[in-house]
Amino acid sequence: KAGVTQTPRYLIKTRGQQVTLSCSPISGHRSVSWYQQTPGQGLQFLFEYFSETQRNKGNFPGRFSGRQFSNSRSEMNVSTLELGDSALYLCASSQGARGNEQFFGPGTRLTVL
Amino acid sequence: GENVEQHPSTLSVQEGDSAVIKCTYSDSASNYFPWYKQELGKRPQLIIDIRSNVGEKKDQRIAVTLNKTAKHFSLHITETQPEDSAVYFCAATPNAGGTSYGKLTFGQGTILTVHP
Repeated sequence: KAGVTQTPRYLIKTRGQQVTLSCSPISGHRSVSWYQQTPGQGLQFLFEYFSETQRNKGNFPGRFSGRQFSNSRSEMNVSTLELGDSALYLCASSQGARGNEQFFGPGTRLTVL
Repeated sequence: GENVEQHPSTLSVQEGDSAVIKCTYSDSASNYFPWYKQELGKRPQLIIDIRSNVGEKKDQRIAVTLNKTAKHFSLHITETQPEDSAVYFCAATPNAGGTSYGKLTFGQGTILTVHP
């Protein structure tokens, strides 16, 4: 099976802009979780989607949003970018029903200037 | 919410030695505990996991132990090799009602260096 893929791999934006990141899960996986990874804060949970519904949400401002499509692909959007949003954004997929195992994509490196 | 503490933050060992990384968690509802290995510039990779109905799990040179009473779990790597050098993360997630909610709370990570 193909692994989790994320596009784009790298992004450079300026403050105030918005950005959309995409994640394609492992075939058959219905859950997609998003995480932000920074040197200072480590890996932090953003939100999780299962069957096109947000099932869980972390402690991030409303500028961070996401959605999931009927084919389980997911996007996350960050509006009004701030310098502190520079990070590696990782998505992970899992079967979502009985399985907890999450498998990560390679991430999108976002730099906000 | 859940809080996961991981120690040590850095660990340096000689090739062939054992390495132990420890984590504690706060939410007694947590019942799934994975460990991830992240090499520089790579994605986190699931290396082993344990569920709360099991006390220990082994896979070749790596093992994980869980003490639910004390709310801590540990990763043990035996016969370490230079390719084991990476950042290791522990995590915990509750599993309310038997449904995975896909939320992992991670420890801060341990930088393991194995010297040849």
